[in-house]
Amino acid sequence: DAGVTQSPTHLIKTRGQQVTLRCSPISGHKSVSWYQQVLGQGPQFIFQYYEKEERGRGNFPDRFSARQFPNYSSELNVNALLLGDSALYLCASSLVGQGRTEAFFGQGTRLTVV
Amino acid sequence: AQSVAQPEDQVNVAEGNPLTVKCTYSVSGNPYLFWYVQYPNRGLQFLLKYITGDNLVKGSYGFEAEFNKSQTSFHLKKPSALVSDSALYFCAVRAPLSGGYNKLIFGAGTRLAVHP
Repeated sequence: DAGVTQSPTHLIKTRGQQVTLRCSPISGHKSVSWYQQVLGQGPQFIFQYYEKEERGRGNFPDRFSARQFPNYSSELNVNALLLGDSALYLCASSLVGQGRTEAFFGQGTRLTVV
Repeated sequence: AQSVAQPEDQVNVAEGNPLTVKCTYSVSGNPYLFWYVQYPNRGLQFLLKYITGDNLVKGSYGFEAEFNKSQTSFHLKKPSALVSDSALYFCAVRAPLSGGYNKLIFGAGTRLAVHP
């Protein structure tokens, strides 16, 4: 069975540019969440989507946005990139966005802003 | 507010010896607790969870965790460490969002080094 897939795996962008990261959840999972993991730290919550609706947003600026498509895949967009946006961006999928189910993570997209 | 603390940046253990990776938490209400492992240049892999029931939870790859409500701890354990267990381990707690949805709050991580 395919797990959570993210693309691209690595990305280098220049300050001020925009980037789009993509995520396909496990088949049957309707909830997708995004996390940012800066080197040496634990992942930080950015967004959660369930049934194509935003269900939660972390403490990130409006430069960060996301959406979920009818097939439950998701995109994370970051505008006006800053050096501090360099991180591993993780996508997680779960059956539902609430309750007791665990989240399964993709391998991440390593974004480097130069 | 929900929070997770992993007091050790690194844990060193000899292969074949038991290992413990510590985690303490702060939550309002019943805790939903998780352990994940991260290998270099990889995402997070789910190891185990505590929702309710027995305080000793068994998970993947021979790992288990002990939930202690009075000490607000959820330590990860393994009776006999393998060199291949060397990785970064994260403890996480489920925190509520509005509308009944939730997110994960992670600790800073503990690097486990198992020496031959």
